[in-house]
Amino acid sequence: EPEVTQTPSHQVTQMGQEVILRCVPISNHLYFYWYRQILGQKVEFLVSFYNNEISEKSEIFDDQFSVERPDGSNFTLKIRSTKLEDSAMYFCASTEQGLAAGELFFGEGSRLTVL
Amino acid sequence: EDQVTQSPEALRLQEGESSSLNCSYTVSGLRGLFWYRQDPGKGPEFLFTLYSAGEEKEKERLKATLTKKESFLHITAPKPEDSATYLCAVNSGGYQKVTFGIGTKLQVIP
Repeated sequence: EPEVTQTPSHQVTQMGQEVILRCVPISNHLYFYWYRQILGQKVEFLVSFYNNEISEKSEIFDDQFSVERPDGSNFTLKIRSTKLEDSAMYFCASTEQGLAAGELFFGEGSRLTVL
Repeated sequence: EDQVTQSPEALRLQEGESSSLNCSYTVSGLRGLFWYRQDPGKGPEFLFTLYSAGEEKEKERLKATLTKKESFLHITAPKPEDSATYLCAVNSGGYQKVTFGIGTKLQVIP
Protein backbone atom coordinates (compact mmCIF):
# COMPACT_ATOMS: atom_id res chain seq x y z
CA GLU A 1 0.00 0.00 0.00
CA PRO A 2 1.44 3.41 -0.92
CA GLU A 3 2.42 5.62 1.98
CA VAL A 4 3.80 9.03 2.86
CA THR A 5 7.32 8.78 4.21
CA GLN A 6 9.04 11.36 6.42
CA THR A 7 12.63 11.89 7.52
CA PRO A 8 14.11 12.25 10.01
CA SER A 9 11.87 10.51 12.54
CA HIS A 10 13.44 12.57 15.33
CA GLN A 11 15.67 15.63 15.23
CA VAL A 12 17.22 17.47 18.15
CA THR A 13 18.54 20.97 17.46
CA GLN A 14 19.73 24.04 19.28
CA MET A 15 17.61 27.17 19.36
CA GLY A 16 18.42 29.43 16.42
CA GLN A 17 19.52 26.62 14.12
CA GLU A 18 17.94 25.85 10.75
CA VAL A 19 16.03 22.61 10.33
CA ILE A 20 14.77 20.89 7.19
CA LEU A 21 12.13 18.19 7.44
CA ARG A 22 11.64 15.98 4.43
CA CYS A 23 8.62 14.16 3.05
CA VAL A 24 7.96 11.91 0.10
CA PRO A 25 4.23 12.10 -0.69
CA ILE A 26 2.35 9.33 -2.46
CA SER A 27 3.47 9.40 -6.08
CA ASN A 28 0.21 10.28 -7.88
CA HIS A 29 -0.92 12.84 -5.28
CA LEU A 30 -1.06 16.50 -6.24
CA TYR A 31 -1.88 18.30 -2.96
CA PHE A 32 0.62 18.43 -0.14
CA TYR A 33 0.33 19.66 3.42
CA TRP A 34 2.26 20.20 6.62
CA TYR A 35 0.58 19.93 10.01
CA ARG A 36 2.09 20.01 13.46
CA GLN A 37 1.09 18.67 16.86
CA ILE A 38 2.57 20.03 20.05
CA LEU A 39 2.57 17.36 22.75
CA GLY A 40 -0.90 16.98 24.24
CA GLN A 41 -2.47 19.53 21.88
CA LYS A 42 -4.49 19.52 18.67
CA VAL A 43 -3.17 18.72 15.22
CA GLU A 44 -2.74 22.18 13.61
CA PHE A 45 -2.66 23.14 9.94
CA LEU A 46 0.47 24.91 8.76
CA VAL A 47 0.41 25.09 4.97
CA SER A 48 -1.01 23.56 1.80
CA PHE A 49 0.86 23.32 -1.50
CA TYR A 50 -0.43 22.69 -5.01
CA ASN A 51 0.98 23.17 -8.48
CA ASN A 52 4.35 24.27 -7.07
CA GLU A 53 3.02 27.06 -4.92
CA ILE A 54 1.50 27.66 -1.51
CA SER A 55 -2.30 27.59 -1.78
CA GLU A 56 -3.05 28.39 1.84
CA LYS A 57 -1.16 28.98 5.08
CA SER A 58 -2.03 29.50 8.72
CA GLU A 59 -0.98 32.27 11.10
CA ILE A 60 1.60 29.86 12.53
CA PHE A 61 3.37 29.71 9.16
CA ASP A 62 5.31 32.95 9.45
CA ASP A 63 8.48 34.11 7.71
CA GLN A 64 10.56 31.58 9.64
CA PHE A 65 8.87 28.76 7.72
CA SER A 66 9.16 27.84 4.07
CA VAL A 67 8.20 24.89 1.89
CA GLU A 68 9.68 23.58 -1.31
CA ARG A 69 9.25 20.78 -3.79
CA PRO A 70 12.83 20.58 -5.04
CA ASP A 71 12.23 17.65 -7.38
CA GLY A 72 9.43 15.36 -8.50
CA SER A 73 9.26 13.38 -5.29
CA ASN A 74 10.33 15.38 -2.23
CA PHE A 75 8.41 18.02 -0.28
CA THR A 76 10.31 19.88 2.41
CA LEU A 77 9.56 22.13 5.36
CA LYS A 78 12.33 24.49 6.45
CA ILE A 79 12.42 26.36 9.74
CA ARG A 80 15.10 29.06 9.45
CA SER A 81 15.80 29.89 13.07
CA THR A 82 14.19 27.46 15.47
CA LYS A 83 12.59 28.54 18.73
CA LEU A 84 11.76 26.49 21.79
CA GLU A 85 8.07 26.67 20.91
CA ASP A 86 8.73 24.98 17.56
CA SER A 87 9.20 21.70 19.44
CA ALA A 88 6.45 19.46 18.10
CA MET A 89 5.62 16.51 15.89
CA TYR A 90 5.45 17.64 12.27
CA PHE A 91 3.23 15.65 9.93
CA CYS A 92 3.32 15.71 6.17
CA ALA A 93 0.13 14.74 4.33
CA SER A 94 -0.97 14.38 0.75
CA THR A 95 -4.11 13.78 -1.25
CA GLU A 96 -4.86 13.14 -4.88
CA GLN A 97 -7.83 15.43 -5.48
CA GLY A 98 -7.65 17.98 -2.67
CA LEU A 99 -10.04 17.95 0.23
CA ALA A 100 -13.07 17.38 -2.01
CA ALA A 101 -12.10 13.73 -1.88
CA GLY A 102 -11.94 13.86 1.90
CA GLU A 103 -9.05 11.62 2.74
CA LEU A 104 -5.69 12.97 3.84
CA PHE A 105 -2.84 10.46 3.93
CA PHE A 106 -0.47 11.32 6.77
CA GLY A 107 3.12 10.28 7.29
CA GLU A 108 4.46 8.90 10.56
CA GLY A 109 5.76 12.33 11.54
CA SER A 110 9.08 13.98 12.40
CA ARG A 111 9.58 14.82 16.04
CA LEU A 112 11.47 18.09 16.44
CA THR A 113 13.03 18.92 19.80
CA VAL A 114 14.52 22.41 20.18
CA LEU A 115 16.88 22.89 23.12
CA GLU B 1 -13.26 30.52 12.47
CA ASP B 2 -14.03 26.79 12.44
CA GLN B 3 -14.28 25.13 15.83
CA VAL B 4 -14.37 21.45 16.76
CA THR B 5 -15.11 20.18 20.27
CA GLN B 6 -14.84 16.51 21.18
CA SER B 7 -16.16 14.71 24.22
CA PRO B 8 -15.30 12.93 26.35
CA GLU B 9 -11.57 13.62 26.38
CA ALA B 10 -10.93 10.09 27.61
CA LEU B 11 -13.05 6.96 27.69
CA ARG B 12 -12.32 3.62 29.26
CA LEU B 13 -14.44 0.66 28.16
CA GLN B 14 -14.53 -3.02 28.90
CA GLU B 15 -14.11 -5.23 25.87
CA GLY B 16 -17.54 -5.64 24.28
CA GLU B 17 -19.01 -2.53 25.95
CA SER B 18 -20.44 -0.32 23.20
CA SER B 19 -20.33 3.47 23.41
CA SER B 20 -20.30 6.70 21.38
CA LEU B 21 -17.86 9.55 20.95
CA ASN B 22 -19.17 13.05 20.27
CA CYS B 23 -17.89 15.77 17.98
CA SER B 24 -19.67 19.13 17.87
CA TYR B 25 -18.63 21.68 15.30
CA THR B 26 -19.11 25.28 14.26
CA VAL B 27 -18.27 26.12 10.67
CA SER B 28 -19.28 28.52 7.94
CA GLY B 29 -20.44 26.05 5.33
CA LEU B 30 -19.38 22.47 6.00
CA ARG B 31 -17.66 20.79 3.07
CA GLY B 32 -16.67 17.67 4.95
CA LEU B 33 -16.35 16.17 8.42
CA PHE B 34 -13.61 13.61 8.95
CA TRP B 35 -12.83 10.98 11.53
CA TYR B 36 -9.25 9.82 12.02
CA ARG B 37 -7.62 7.33 14.34
CA GLN B 38 -4.24 8.19 15.88
CA ASP B 39 -2.01 5.69 17.66
CA PRO B 40 0.67 7.00 20.06
CA GLY B 41 3.61 8.56 18.22
CA LYS B 42 1.98 8.01 14.81
CA GLY B 43 0.26 10.09 12.18
CA PRO B 44 -3.54 10.22 11.93
CA GLU B 45 -5.11 7.39 9.94
CA PHE B 46 -8.21 8.18 7.91
CA LEU B 47 -11.47 6.47 8.86
CA PHE B 48 -14.47 8.32 7.37
CA THR B 49 -15.66 11.42 5.55
CA LEU B 50 -19.23 12.66 6.01
CA TYR B 51 -20.58 15.40 3.77
CA SER B 52 -24.18 16.10 4.73
CA ALA B 53 -26.61 15.76 7.63
CA GLY B 54 -28.16 12.32 7.83
CA GLU B 55 -25.19 10.58 6.26
CA GLU B 56 -23.78 7.44 7.91
CA LYS B 57 -20.64 5.43 7.23
CA GLU B 58 -19.56 2.08 8.69
CA LYS B 59 -16.30 0.19 8.95
CA GLU B 60 -16.04 -2.97 11.01
CA ARG B 61 -17.04 -2.02 14.59
CA LEU B 62 -17.21 1.72 13.85
CA LYS B 63 -20.13 3.76 12.59
CA ALA B 64 -20.05 7.50 12.01
CA THR B 65 -23.16 9.70 11.80
CA LEU B 66 -23.67 13.38 11.07
CA THR B 67 -26.22 16.03 12.00
CA LYS B 68 -26.14 19.77 11.31
CA LYS B 69 -24.29 20.45 14.56
CA GLU B 70 -22.49 17.27 15.57
CA SER B 71 -21.15 13.90 14.60
CA PHE B 72 -21.02 10.67 16.55
CA LEU B 73 -18.60 7.80 16.28
CA HIS B 74 -20.34 4.69 17.57
CA ILE B 75 -18.15 1.79 18.63
CA THR B 76 -19.93 -1.55 18.84
CA ALA B 77 -18.44 -4.37 20.93
CA PRO B 78 -14.96 -2.83 21.00
CA LYS B 79 -11.79 -4.88 21.21
CA PRO B 80 -8.45 -3.91 22.84
CA GLU B 81 -7.01 -3.18 19.39
CA ASP B 82 -9.54 -0.34 19.05
CA SER B 83 -7.63 1.54 21.75
CA ALA B 84 -6.39 4.80 20.21
CA THR B 85 -7.16 8.50 20.07
CA TYR B 86 -10.04 9.30 17.72
CA LEU B 87 -9.84 12.69 16.03
CA CYS B 88 -12.69 14.63 14.47
CA ALA B 89 -11.90 17.31 11.89
CA VAL B 90 -13.77 19.66 9.55
CA ASN B 91 -13.17 21.41 6.28
CA SER B 92 -15.28 24.42 5.33
CA GLY B 93 -15.66 27.12 2.72
CA GLY B 94 -13.18 27.08 -0.11
CA TYR B 95 -10.25 26.39 2.13
CA GLN B 96 -7.61 23.68 1.93
CA LYS B 97 -7.07 23.43 5.67
CA VAL B 98 -8.64 20.90 8.00
CA THR B 99 -9.41 21.93 11.59
CA PHE B 100 -8.99 19.16 14.16
CA GLY B 101 -10.49 18.62 17.59
CA ILE B 102 -8.38 17.59 20.58
CA GLY B 103 -9.52 13.98 20.23
CA THR B 104 -11.02 11.30 22.47
CA LYS B 105 -8.52 8.86 23.94
CA LEU B 106 -10.19 5.45 24.02
CA GLN B 107 -8.88 2.60 26.12
CA VAL B 108 -10.51 -0.83 25.78
CA ILE B 109 -9.75 -3.19 28.65
CA PRO B 110 -9.71 -6.97 27.97
